[in-house]
Amino acid sequence: DIVMTQSPDSLAVSLGERATINCKSSQSVLYSSNNKNYLGWYQQKPGQPPKLLFYWASTRESGVPARFSGSGSGTDFTLTISSLQAEDVAVYYCQQYYSTPPTFGQGTKVEIK
Amino acid sequence: EVQLVESGGGLVQPGGSLRLSCAASGFTLSSYAMSWVRQAPGKGLEWVSTISGSGGGIYYADSVKGRFTISRDNSKNSLYLQMNSLRAEDTALYYCAKQVATTYSPADYWGQGALVTVSS
Repeated sequence: DIVMTQSPDSLAVSLGERATINCKSSQSVLYSSNNKNYLGWYQQKPGQPPKLLFYWASTRESGVPARFSGSGSGTDFTLTISSLQAEDVAVYYCQQYYSTPPTFGQGTKVEIK
Repeated sequence: EVQLVESGGGLVQPGGSLRLSCAASGFTLSSYAMSWVRQAPGKGLEWVSTISGSGGGIYYADSVKGRFTISRDNSKNSLYLQMNSLRAEDTALYYCAKQVATTYSPADYWGQGALVTVSS
């Protein structure tokens, strides 16, 4: 199984400041035949189901604010919130869907400092 | 509008069984792979099972293999999860999720979840 490891486990950021979450996979999730990274990012607010933010590592889902960006390739990925807003308080998960079982990172809790 | 509504959760004793259902609307169910993902209280997300659009491809997490069975009835716009030999560690909120496309794709829509509690 591919192990997904996120860092940090939690972070507190001031409103308007940048938040950066890292995700590392135990093996590459880049599929060479189509040059796509099989990596997604989800946001889960308290009491709500997860919401897909990005797929193929950097393709923003419809309706996701532009302050969110996804980057990386192979085994190292980053989710960045360029200017943290109060509504961004949530737990963020990365997930690889390159192979079965699709595995999630342990989650990163983002709070306001 | 895509909607996924789970039902069938509840309290069950260890060793018991439950059947979860997920009613789908707003899209053609047969065109998409569907999954069950669970979340134990205060914990992270754990993938449980995926079924392809046609039902021909089925995958399970090792933790539930041999005990859980995923199925779908595209004519009824429904997804199911039959859970047998339940254990305390199966206690979780079970989400029904629609994949973007095939099995090897992320989940773009999720239900609100069905709570399963396994306890004596």
